[in-house]
Amino acid sequence: DTGVSQDPRHKITKRGQNVTFRCDPISEHNRLYWYRQTLGQGPEFLTYFQNEAQLEKSRLLSDRFSAERPKGSFSTLEIQRTEQGDSAMYLCASSLVSVYNEQFFGPGTRLTVL
Amino acid sequence: LAKTTQPISMDSYEGQEVNITCSHNNIATNDYITWYQQFPSQGPRFIIQGYKTKVTNEVASLFIPADRKSSTLSLPRVSLSDTAVYYCLVGPAVSGSARQLTFGSGTQLTVLP
Repeated sequence: DTGVSQDPRHKITKRGQNVTFRCDPISEHNRLYWYRQTLGQGPEFLTYFQNEAQLEKSRLLSDRFSAERPKGSFSTLEIQRTEQGDSAMYLCASSLVSVYNEQFFGPGTRLTVL
Repeated sequence: LAKTTQPISMDSYEGQEVNITCSHNNIATNDYITWYQQFPSQGPRFIIQGYKTKVTNEVASLFIPADRKSSTLSLPRVSLSDTAVYYCLVGPAVSGSARQLTFGSGTQLTVLP
């Protein structure tokens, strides 16, 4: 399968712990996006990369959140000092630069903060 | 980015044609209309995109009137597996302008046997 993959699929953690998620995009896609989705809502944009450069961050992305995309391949999203409000589905997507609104999404990582 | 309005939910029966309408009164000249489908516990999946008139692919048709202030996603002969949330998005397709997708709450389509 050459689609977008995310790891882990589920993560349960205690409040105050740090968590890290990984996303592997479609190999020829140079744009990579992170979204967060809570129950009953559509995905909300968090940040995106073009190759290894992080070009935009949403105001939703507090300073406890950090994302990286070393070498323009896979990406990681880290949440430090997790809070119960961080519980959500974290979605990764990738696209070509030229067709940014046709994004390919991964299955997501469901985070539960106890 | 243009704001979109779509019904919260719709019910249909297997074999029927389903039309989901989306309003986007302040669509800009360079905006495209894009629809995504999302099943529970999965990421959204691109369905179709159009600029004006009619676009058809193997999954759906998209009808856009001349004023482009609304659009209709048409799903022919739905089956139980089409039960999902459908999102209408409006934004420019050209690289370098708006970059992120802005999802609303979508339309929950439930197909009944």
